[in-house]
Amino acid sequence: SQQGEEDPQALSIQEGENATMNCSYKTSINNLQWYRQNSGRGLVHLILIRSNEREKHSGRLRVTLDTSKKSSSLLITASRAADTASYFCATAPSGSARQLTFGSGTQLTVLP
Amino acid sequence: GAGVSQSPSNKVTEKGKDVELRCDPISGHTALYWYRQSLGQGLEFLIYFQGNSAPDKSGLPSDRFSAERTGGSVSTLTIQRTQQEDSAVYLCASSLFSRETQYFGPGTRLLVL
Repeated sequence: SQQGEEDPQALSIQEGENATMNCSYKTSINNLQWYRQNSGRGLVHLILIRSNEREKHSGRLRVTLDTSKKSSSLLITASRAADTASYFCATAPSGSARQLTFGSGTQLTVLP
Repeated sequence: GAGVSQSPSNKVTEKGKDVELRCDPISGHTALYWYRQSLGQGLEFLIYFQGNSAPDKSGLPSDRFSAERTGGSVSTLTIQRTQQEDSAVYLCASSLFSRETQYFGPGTRLLVL
């Protein structure tokens, strides 16, 4: 099974609305990260939340982490058309493994 | 400072030819990663370099794929005898430490005809 599965796969909202994306994972983690990707090119890091943190804010972004449920959510408030992109969660496992595992992403479309 | 750069941006090749993709990480970053992304899909981990340690090659899909990192900086991903299924965007990322924030290059879009 794949670590870091996002839900929903696609989300379409009106400008000004809030967008919520969820991520579930299976193994214990050191941290969880959210990335954004435009047009199939490089990813841009948005926010990192560590396993001992429950909530983190950055501008219009709010990330929560529930390690008991092995899940995280990304909330984008007051969305803008420019927020249209794919959003990926990535988990950094605890233990010896060093690479992040990325989910398949949520495609967010914000309609003007 | 400068971000991660990759070259070429786009590469079109014929089936059976070899290709080399280059990645220049952020200076001082000890960790370097290669990923592959097919159209509309997530990222598939290929290989990871950390300092002078032996690379983690567990994600390489076949022995046609290899990578090296010279002097702890620039990395080259080589695909030998390319196949049509190798067509994808190849992304490179670097980070100051492993498991921390990764900084991605713009990717190389490879098309094998």
